[in-house]
Amino acid sequence: GEDVEQSLFLSVREGDSSVINCTYTDSSSTYLYWYKQEPGAGLQLLTYIFSNMDMKQDQRLTVLLNKKDKHLSLRIADTQTGDSAIYFCAEIGGYKLSFGAGTTVTVRA
Amino acid sequence: EAGVAQSPRYKIIEKRQSVAFWCNPISGHATLYWYQQILGQGPKLLIQFQNNGVVDDSQLPKDRFSAERLKGVDSTLKIQPAKLEDSAVYLCASSPRTGDGSNYGYTFGSGTRLTVV
Repeated sequence: GEDVEQSLFLSVREGDSSVINCTYTDSSSTYLYWYKQEPGAGLQLLTYIFSNMDMKQDQRLTVLLNKKDKHLSLRIADTQTGDSAIYFCAEIGGYKLSFGAGTTVTVRA
Repeated sequence: EAGVAQSPRYKIIEKRQSVAFWCNPISGHATLYWYQQILGQGPKLLIQFQNNGVVDDSQLPKDRFSAERLKGVDSTLKIQPAKLEDSAVYLCASSPRTGDGSNYGYTFGSGTRLTVV
Protein backbone atom coordinates (compact mmCIF):
# COMPACT_ATOMS: atom_id res chain seq x y z
CA GLY A 1 0.00 0.00 0.00
CA GLU A 2 2.94 2.41 0.19
CA ASP A 3 2.51 3.35 -3.46
CA VAL A 4 -1.15 4.24 -3.07
CA GLU A 5 -2.30 6.79 -0.48
CA GLN A 6 -5.79 7.65 0.74
CA SER A 7 -7.30 9.74 3.49
CA LEU A 8 -8.36 7.44 6.32
CA PHE A 9 -11.80 8.69 7.34
CA LEU A 10 -14.79 10.45 5.84
CA SER A 11 -18.07 11.30 7.55
CA VAL A 12 -20.99 12.35 5.39
CA ARG A 13 -24.66 13.12 5.93
CA GLU A 14 -27.21 10.84 4.30
CA GLY A 15 -28.28 12.26 0.95
CA ASP A 16 -25.12 14.33 0.48
CA SER A 17 -22.31 13.47 -1.95
CA SER A 18 -19.16 11.71 -0.76
CA VAL A 19 -15.78 12.29 -2.36
CA ILE A 20 -12.92 9.91 -1.63
CA ASN A 21 -9.45 10.83 -2.86
CA CYS A 22 -6.43 8.73 -3.72
CA THR A 23 -2.93 9.35 -5.04
CA TYR A 24 -0.68 6.79 -6.64
CA THR A 25 2.93 6.73 -7.78
CA ASP A 26 3.18 4.18 -10.60
CA SER A 27 2.95 6.12 -13.85
CA SER A 28 2.68 2.86 -15.80
CA SER A 29 -0.62 1.97 -14.14
CA THR A 30 -3.07 0.78 -16.77
CA TYR A 31 -6.20 0.36 -14.68
CA LEU A 32 -7.26 2.00 -11.43
CA TYR A 33 -9.97 0.56 -9.25
CA TRP A 34 -12.27 1.31 -6.38
CA TYR A 35 -13.20 -1.57 -4.11
CA LYS A 36 -15.72 -1.59 -1.26
CA GLN A 37 -15.34 -3.69 1.88
CA GLU A 38 -18.18 -4.10 4.33
CA PRO A 39 -17.55 -5.49 7.84
CA GLY A 40 -16.61 -9.16 7.75
CA ALA A 41 -16.81 -9.32 3.97
CA GLY A 42 -14.35 -9.60 1.14
CA LEU A 43 -13.56 -6.91 -1.40
CA GLN A 44 -16.25 -5.96 -3.87
CA LEU A 45 -15.22 -4.28 -7.10
CA LEU A 46 -17.23 -1.06 -7.41
CA THR A 47 -15.82 0.47 -10.54
CA TYR A 48 -12.62 0.92 -12.50
CA ILE A 49 -11.13 3.36 -14.97
CA PHE A 50 -8.63 2.82 -17.73
CA SER A 51 -5.64 5.12 -17.60
CA ASN A 52 -6.45 6.86 -20.90
CA MET A 53 -9.80 8.07 -19.53
CA ASP A 54 -10.47 11.21 -17.47
CA MET A 55 -13.88 10.34 -16.14
CA LYS A 56 -16.24 7.45 -15.82
CA GLN A 57 -19.80 7.54 -14.55
CA ASP A 58 -21.75 4.51 -13.38
CA GLN A 59 -25.12 5.30 -11.80
CA ARG A 60 -24.36 7.07 -8.49
CA LEU A 61 -20.60 6.63 -8.89
CA THR A 62 -18.29 9.04 -10.72
CA VAL A 63 -14.58 8.37 -11.05
CA LEU A 64 -12.22 11.17 -11.96
CA LEU A 65 -8.62 10.56 -13.01
CA ASN A 66 -5.93 13.23 -13.21
CA LYS A 67 -3.06 11.28 -14.73
CA LYS A 68 -0.66 14.23 -14.62
CA ASP A 69 -1.04 14.56 -10.85
CA LYS A 70 -1.61 10.79 -10.34
CA HIS A 71 -4.83 11.59 -8.51
CA LEU A 72 -7.95 9.48 -8.50
CA SER A 73 -11.27 10.28 -6.87
CA LEU A 74 -14.57 8.53 -6.31
CA ARG A 75 -17.76 10.54 -5.91
CA ILE A 76 -20.85 8.83 -4.54
CA ALA A 77 -24.00 10.82 -5.19
CA ASP A 78 -26.95 10.72 -2.76
CA THR A 79 -24.99 8.75 -0.17
CA GLN A 80 -27.06 6.15 1.67
CA THR A 81 -26.53 4.29 4.96
CA GLY A 82 -25.69 1.18 2.93
CA ASP A 83 -22.68 3.04 1.55
CA SER A 84 -21.01 2.93 4.98
CA ALA A 85 -17.91 0.80 4.41
CA ILE A 86 -14.19 0.95 3.76
CA TYR A 87 -13.27 2.03 0.24
CA PHE A 88 -9.97 0.99 -1.26
CA CYS A 89 -8.20 2.57 -4.18
CA ALA A 90 -6.04 0.11 -6.14
CA GLU A 91 -3.82 0.23 -9.18
CA ILE A 92 -2.34 -2.33 -11.52
CA GLY A 93 1.40 -1.85 -11.93
CA GLY A 94 2.60 -4.55 -14.28
CA TYR A 95 0.70 -7.57 -13.04
CA LYS A 96 0.34 -6.72 -9.37
CA LEU A 97 -2.77 -5.13 -7.86
CA SER A 98 -1.64 -2.71 -5.11
CA PHE A 99 -4.03 -1.21 -2.58
CA GLY A 100 -4.18 1.90 -0.48
CA ALA A 101 -4.92 1.65 3.26
CA GLY A 102 -8.59 2.36 2.73
CA THR A 103 -10.99 5.21 3.57
CA THR A 104 -13.62 4.45 6.19
CA VAL A 105 -16.84 6.17 5.15
CA THR A 106 -19.45 6.73 7.84
CA VAL A 107 -22.90 7.89 6.78
CA ARG A 108 -24.83 9.73 9.47
CA ALA A 109 -28.56 10.36 9.46
CA GLU B 1 -21.01 -18.26 -11.63
CA ALA B 2 -19.80 -19.36 -8.23
CA GLY B 3 -17.40 -16.99 -6.53
CA VAL B 4 -14.04 -17.60 -4.90
CA ALA B 5 -14.50 -19.99 -1.99
CA GLN B 6 -12.34 -19.83 1.12
CA SER B 7 -12.29 -21.82 4.33
CA PRO B 8 -12.32 -21.63 7.22
CA ARG B 9 -13.97 -18.24 7.81
CA TYR B 10 -12.36 -17.85 11.22
CA LYS B 11 -9.43 -19.44 13.01
CA ILE B 12 -7.95 -18.84 16.44
CA ILE B 13 -4.61 -20.46 17.27
CA GLU B 14 -1.85 -20.04 19.78
CA LYS B 15 1.51 -18.65 18.72
CA ARG B 16 3.94 -21.26 17.45
CA GLN B 17 1.08 -23.45 16.22
CA SER B 18 0.49 -24.12 12.54
CA VAL B 19 -2.54 -23.27 10.42
CA ALA B 20 -3.69 -23.83 6.85
CA PHE B 21 -6.15 -21.95 4.68
CA TRP B 22 -7.86 -23.21 1.57
CA CYS B 23 -9.03 -21.42 -1.55
CA ASN B 24 -11.01 -22.57 -4.56
CA PRO B 25 -10.94 -19.98 -7.35
CA ILE B 26 -13.51 -19.30 -10.02
CA SER B 27 -13.60 -22.14 -12.51
CA GLY B 28 -11.27 -21.51 -15.41
CA HIS B 29 -9.32 -18.69 -13.76
CA ALA B 30 -5.65 -19.26 -14.40
CA THR B 31 -4.28 -16.81 -11.86
CA LEU B 32 -4.68 -17.08 -8.10
CA TYR B 33 -3.54 -14.59 -5.48
CA TRP B 34 -3.16 -14.67 -1.70
CA TYR B 35 -3.34 -11.33 0.07
CA GLN B 36 -2.79 -10.51 3.75
CA GLN B 37 -4.91 -7.72 5.21
CA ILE B 38 -3.83 -6.53 8.65
CA LEU B 39 -6.43 -4.54 10.56
CA GLY B 40 -6.44 -0.92 9.44
CA GLN B 41 -4.34 -1.57 6.35
CA GLY B 42 -4.96 -2.37 2.72
CA PRO B 43 -4.43 -5.88 1.40
CA LYS B 44 -0.82 -6.82 0.65
CA LEU B 45 0.06 -9.43 -1.97
CA LEU B 46 1.77 -12.50 -0.52
CA ILE B 47 1.96 -14.79 -3.52
CA GLN B 48 0.63 -15.06 -7.06
CA PHE B 49 0.22 -18.28 -9.04
CA GLN B 50 -0.26 -18.66 -12.79
CA ASN B 51 -1.78 -22.13 -13.17
CA ASN B 52 0.44 -24.19 -10.85
CA GLY B 53 3.56 -22.00 -11.14
CA VAL B 54 4.61 -19.14 -8.85
CA VAL B 55 4.73 -15.72 -10.56
CA ASP B 56 5.61 -13.60 -7.53
CA ASP B 57 6.32 -14.60 -3.95
CA SER B 58 8.64 -11.72 -3.10
CA GLN B 59 6.48 -10.59 -0.15
CA LEU B 60 5.93 -14.07 1.30
CA PRO B 61 7.83 -14.65 4.60
CA LYS B 62 9.25 -17.93 3.42
CA ASP B 63 10.70 -18.92 6.77
CA ARG B 64 7.16 -19.54 8.05
CA PHE B 65 4.71 -19.19 5.16
CA SER B 66 4.24 -21.65 2.31
CA ALA B 67 1.67 -21.98 -0.44
CA GLU B 68 0.93 -24.45 -3.15
CA ARG B 69 -1.39 -24.89 -6.09
CA LEU B 70 -0.47 -28.37 -7.17
CA LYS B 71 -3.07 -29.03 -9.85
CA GLY B 72 -3.50 -25.45 -10.94
CA VAL B 73 -6.94 -25.19 -9.38
CA ASP B 74 -7.38 -24.83 -5.62
CA SER B 75 -4.64 -23.62 -3.32
CA THR B 76 -3.55 -23.84 0.30
CA LEU B 77 -1.62 -21.29 2.32
CA LYS B 78 0.17 -22.51 5.44
CA ILE B 79 1.78 -20.73 8.36
CA GLN B 80 4.17 -22.66 10.57
CA PRO B 81 4.92 -21.54 13.23
CA ALA B 82 2.50 -18.66 13.63
CA LYS B 83 3.45 -15.38 15.30
CA LEU B 84 1.23 -12.78 16.93
CA GLU B 85 1.84 -10.38 14.03
CA ASP B 86 0.30 -12.92 11.61
CA SER B 87 -3.14 -12.00 12.93
CA ALA B 88 -4.93 -10.73 9.85
CA VAL B 89 -7.53 -11.55 7.23
CA TYR B 90 -6.14 -13.75 4.46
CA LEU B 91 -7.86 -13.04 1.17
CA CYS B 92 -7.76 -15.21 -1.90
CA ALA B 93 -8.51 -13.78 -5.35
CA SER B 94 -8.52 -15.12 -8.88
CA SER B 95 -8.44 -13.70 -12.38
CA PRO B 96 -8.62 -15.17 -15.88
CA ARG B 97 -4.95 -14.45 -16.57
CA THR B 98 -1.92 -12.62 -15.25
CA GLY B 99 -1.92 -8.88 -15.58
CA ASP B 100 -5.51 -8.80 -16.59
CA GLY B 101 -6.55 -5.43 -15.28
CA SER B 102 -9.93 -5.22 -16.93
CA ASN B 103 -13.14 -4.99 -14.97
CA TYR B 104 -13.57 -8.73 -14.73
CA GLY B 105 -9.98 -9.24 -13.64
CA TYR B 106 -9.95 -9.86 -9.91
CA THR B 107 -12.61 -11.57 -7.83
CA PHE B 108 -12.01 -11.85 -4.09
CA GLY B 109 -13.23 -14.42 -1.61
CA SER B 110 -14.66 -13.46 1.78
CA GLY B 111 -11.37 -14.21 3.51
CA THR B 112 -10.20 -16.15 6.53
CA ARG B 113 -9.80 -14.14 9.72
CA LEU B 114 -6.84 -15.47 11.70
CA THR B 115 -6.27 -14.54 15.33
CA VAL B 116 -3.00 -15.64 16.93
CA VAL B 117 -3.01 -15.50 20.73
